[in-house]
Amino acid sequence: SQTIHQWPATLVQPVGSPLSLECTVEGTSNPNLYWYRQAAGRGLQLLFYSVGIGQISSEVPQNLSASRPQDRQFILSSKKLLLSDSGFYLCAWSPLVGGVEQFFGPGTRLTVL
Amino acid sequence: AQKVTQAQTEISVVEKEDVTLDCVYETRDTTYYLFWYKQPPSGELVFLIRRNSFDEQNEISGRYSWNFQKSTSSFNFTITASQVVDSAVYFCALSEAGGPMAGGTSYGKLTFGQGTILTVHP
Repeated sequence: SQTIHQWPATLVQPVGSPLSLECTVEGTSNPNLYWYRQAAGRGLQLLFYSVGIGQISSEVPQNLSASRPQDRQFILSSKKLLLSDSGFYLCAWSPLVGGVEQFFGPGTRLTVL
Repeated sequence: AQKVTQAQTEISVVEKEDVTLDCVYETRDTTYYLFWYKQPPSGELVFLIRRNSFDEQNEISGRYSWNFQKSTSSFNFTITASQVVDSAVYFCALSEAGGPMAGGTSYGKLTFGQGTILTVHP
């Protein structure tokens, strides 16, 4: 069966510090991978998605970047965090062929002080 | 552009009551998929159901049932005999057909509604 991992689970970082959140998927090959952010208002905003190694699409301009160095690894980064980057970050995967459900990881709660 | 509206921000019920969560969507696609997810206090989104645009048959799974009506662009979710463990945020979501193999370009991106906070009191 497939499993998706995210770490760290929680993170408190000062403004201006770098960020690296990691997501890995087990038990599948060639997944679509997604990064979402959920702010205090509860809605989920798609940040990035990837259909293959090195292939990243950005949905919104922002202070963040994503990379996919391996087939089942998706990384969310920032060089300098802003207060507005605080939120709950969720990674998700789906089979390469679209139109199917996405499966979410446990999330990382990021607080920028 | 796709849009999902969950007009109910918060719902509060007493255990054993039935509750319906509303979802209205907008899309220009003829082929699309609708989803419901549950987000318990732990934060992880749990997949509940997927319906495609060609299948309007209602579905029942235990205490959960879903009513998909294309004519009103709605995909409502009903919990029968609610329980305290049903307390969570519930999200409705919409997806286009997907990647090139399915004739789309969205690669399965989900558009979420703002969610409905359901609180079930004992």
